[in-house]
Amino acid sequence: EDQVTQSPEALRLQEGESSSLNCSYTVSGLRGLFWYRQDPGKGPEFLFTLYSAGEEKEKERLKATLTKKESFLHITAPKPEDSATYLCAVHRWATGTASKLTFGTGTRLQVTL
Amino acid sequence: DAGVTQSPTHLIKTRGQQVTLRCSPISGHKSVSWYQQVLGQGPQFIFQYYEKEERGRGNFPDRFSARQFPNYSSELNVNALLLGDSALYLCASSYSTGTLSNEQFFGPGTRLTVL
Repeated sequence: EDQVTQSPEALRLQEGESSSLNCSYTVSGLRGLFWYRQDPGKGPEFLFTLYSAGEEKEKERLKATLTKKESFLHITAPKPEDSATYLCAVHRWATGTASKLTFGTGTRLQVTL
Repeated sequence: DAGVTQSPTHLIKTRGQQVTLRCSPISGHKSVSWYQQVLGQGPQFIFQYYEKEERGRGNFPDRFSARQFPNYSSELNVNALLLGDSALYLCASSYSTGTLSNEQFFGPGTRLTVL
């Protein structure tokens, strides 16, 4: 069964203090790894899709990387508006056509002034 | 362009009642997936529909059912509500199930509270 583990569960940073969030996964035949941002009471907002080990993608202060076992979301010089829960999800190749995403429990990020 | 829309925003029901949640996907998207998110957890897959057919089902009881209409909108029905069904119900749309990217875009969710 697919497994996704995110760490840390919660992270508190000061504005400008860079850090990384980790997503470890176990899946047979990764089709894609997704990063989402979720604000309280809202739906997840799509950030990135990564398909193969070594791939990197950037968006503003965020950079996502992928290895064969884990993905990192690097946050450079964060601002208070980056405070949110960051979710990681995997999608695997499978017979049939279901496109089920398996999510981790997320990392709650708080950025203070 | 309008994103994924869901209705209602909030819903309060009592145990044993039935509820219907609605979702309209992004224009041009043909696939809709439903997820349940309990507080403090990641979303859990319930169903996926593509071209009005069920293409996948998660580990949820038969009290949960769904359908997709010709305009690709979708409804999720939950019968005989239990307290444990209280959650944020999320709808996600994607262009298809067969594309490499299969990026799924989520709606704002429906917050269901069962008393």
